[in-house]
Amino acid sequence: QVQLVQSGAEVKKSGASMRVSCKASGYTFTSHYMHWVRQAPGQGLEWMGIINPYGGSTYYTQKFQGRITMTADTSTSTVYMDLSSLTSEDTAVYYCARVLRPRGPDYWGQGTLVTVSS
Amino acid sequence: DIQMTQSPSTLSASVGDRVTITCRASQSISSWLAWYQQKPGKAPKLLISKASSLESGVPSRFSGSESGTEFTLSISSLQPDDFATYYCQHYHTYPWTFGQGTKVEIK
Repeated sequence: QVQLVQSGAEVKKSGASMRVSCKASGYTFTSHYMHWVRQAPGQGLEWMGIINPYGGSTYYTQKFQGRITMTADTSTSTVYMDLSSLTSEDTAVYYCARVLRPRGPDYWGQGTLVTVSS
Repeated sequence: DIQMTQSPSTLSASVGDRVTITCRASQSISSWLAWYQQKPGKAPKLLISKASSLESGVPSRFSGSESGTEFTLSISSLQPDDFATYYCQHYHTYPWTFGQGTKVEIK
């Protein structure tokens, strides 16, 4: 069965960097793109960007450009999302989800809570 | 960027009610619209893809429709398990954006 398992919760200091991993199983890793979404406490969903694990091409929302990097390791079927220069505004639950059009993002990770404190 | 305007932000309804949530895109998205249900502390669950294609395992009381740039999620007879927050998201061109969400509450 398809599973996306994300890394555990983290607490970071302002100015630090974070890395969230998303390990895929149960399907061909390179057949689906992976998108990242975050949700601040009590807020809505915010789309961050997407990576094609086959080749590694990425698209990042302008809001995060310059401090976000998404990578894919095909040997371990894992996608990584790095975010630098953290502020309290980055406190959120971060989700990965696979997607292959025409379907929308169908399988999601369990979410990773990242708390940024000063 | 394509903006998604979702309404209402909150909806109070009773079990058995018919419920309708609307998302309007700021330009054509060629049916590339998904609807999600999210419960507290859980990841979003995909309900509908391509504006009207019901995902496997999703109850048939859920349906999606479109008219131009206006998209609708309908729940024909609200069940206790349906009280949640619903989001639309377009996946036409980057960046993909979400609507603001609709919280369906018990009346």
